[in-house]
Amino acid sequence: AQSVTQLDSHVSVSEGTPVLLRCNYSSSYSPSLFWYVQHPNKGLQLLLKYTSAATLVKGINGFEAEFKKSETSFHLTKPSAHMSDAAEYFCVVSATGGGNKLTFGTGTQLKVEL
Amino acid sequence: DAGVIQSPRHEVTEMGQEVTLRCKPISGHDYLFWYRQTMMRGLELLIYFNNNVPIDDSGMPEDRFSAKMPNASFSTLKIQPSEPRDSAVYFCASSYTGVRTNYGYTFGSGTRLTVV
Repeated sequence: AQSVTQLDSHVSVSEGTPVLLRCNYSSSYSPSLFWYVQHPNKGLQLLLKYTSAATLVKGINGFEAEFKKSETSFHLTKPSAHMSDAAEYFCVVSATGGGNKLTFGTGTQLKVEL
Repeated sequence: DAGVIQSPRHEVTEMGQEVTLRCKPISGHDYLFWYRQTMMRGLELLIYFNNNVPIDDSGMPEDRFSAKMPNASFSTLKIQPSEPRDSAVYFCASSYTGVRTNYGYTFGSGTRLTVV
């Protein structure tokens, strides 16, 4: 069994300030973890992925996430928010050895204010 | 590569009509997924295929929904008859899975279905 919990449904930051979107996971197997972003009226785009290599993963647009097994967390961060980062972000887990099925979190809506 | 291609982008239909959504996955990908997204329920996995074979259709809401993948480059999701509660954005995604590694999905742009 696998699941993800996104701890905040909405996050609001000012432009230029750091972004932190929190995600905790549960998996019976060694997990693969992903962050996807969805801009309004658009499809989902892969931001970054962790697949048991380096625990600090760098993605597109300056985002990165750190896999912490002891905390079962995979939080998404960015040092400085930009207006174009406003979107919905999904944390996703897949169990390696458990098939190719992805389990999505409920999403975090990021708002960036001037 | 053109990515995952879905058609149509928008569909408006009357209740009771048949609706067919289409998807062309990325060449070489061995998995194909159909998702539905609504404000109330978020993203729901409807069905997925591996090498053109349906693996798990437990997310298909009811018998009105059916999906096929006749070959590696084409899949359809059909709703017959359609109902207003089927209004949603339907996404197709494909992926390639190597041995012991999940590379994640590539999503299409979605089909926005409105049933009136």
